[in-house]
Amino acid sequence: TQTVSQSDAHVTVFEGDSVELRCNYSYGGSIYLSWYIQHHGRGLQFLLKYYSGNPVVQGVNGFEAEFSKSDSSFHLRKASVHWSDSAVYFCAASMNNNRIFFGDGTQLVVKP
Amino acid sequence: GALVYQYPRRTICKSGTSMRMECQAVGFQATSVAWYRQSPQKTFELIALSTVNSAIKYEQNFTQEKFPISHPNLSFSSMTVLNAYLEDRGLYLCGATANTGQLYFGEGSKLTVL
Repeated sequence: TQTVSQSDAHVTVFEGDSVELRCNYSYGGSIYLSWYIQHHGRGLQFLLKYYSGNPVVQGVNGFEAEFSKSDSSFHLRKASVHWSDSAVYFCAASMNNNRIFFGDGTQLVVKP
Repeated sequence: GALVYQYPRRTICKSGTSMRMECQAVGFQATSVAWYRQSPQKTFELIALSTVNSAIKYEQNFTQEKFPISHPNLSFSSMTVLNAYLEDRGLYLCGATANTGQLYFGEGSKLTVL
């Protein structure tokens, strides 16, 4: 059984700050890891995905994430956040990219 | 472009009644469709995965008797919440995977149960 853990339920930063949202997974085999964003009351928007290759993946809107096998992590980062980045961010893991398991989500609040 | 259209976006039903929701893949053929539920203030739980030419696989705590799914072709899937009660409220999300491997999510169907 694979699990996805997002240790921070809430993160608050100011506009222009950098941010890192943490994600750890537990699974021994090959795995797809991805991040999604959910604005209030909406569906999921895809940010980025990793399966193999360069462990640092670039996503939309300046987001990037780094895969670490040794730490079993796939943390999401952004160098300078905007107020519109306020949303809930979900880390997700999958063996085959269609049966996906989500973390509990991290609510990011960006203050002006 | 490719997108997933879900209908209805919102619905309110009385406790004990049923609600059917639809998922349409536009601009691509969906080789598999997964249905998820996000209960209020919670994460997304996988209900079932439907792959063309294979049986629909339900996750633990979800059954075909409660959440029957139809996946008649490569562009359409529907799921019904039978005999809905308060614990069934939430956002029901459809995720469709194209034969390229790309996954697309719809905007979800929000169910409120009175």
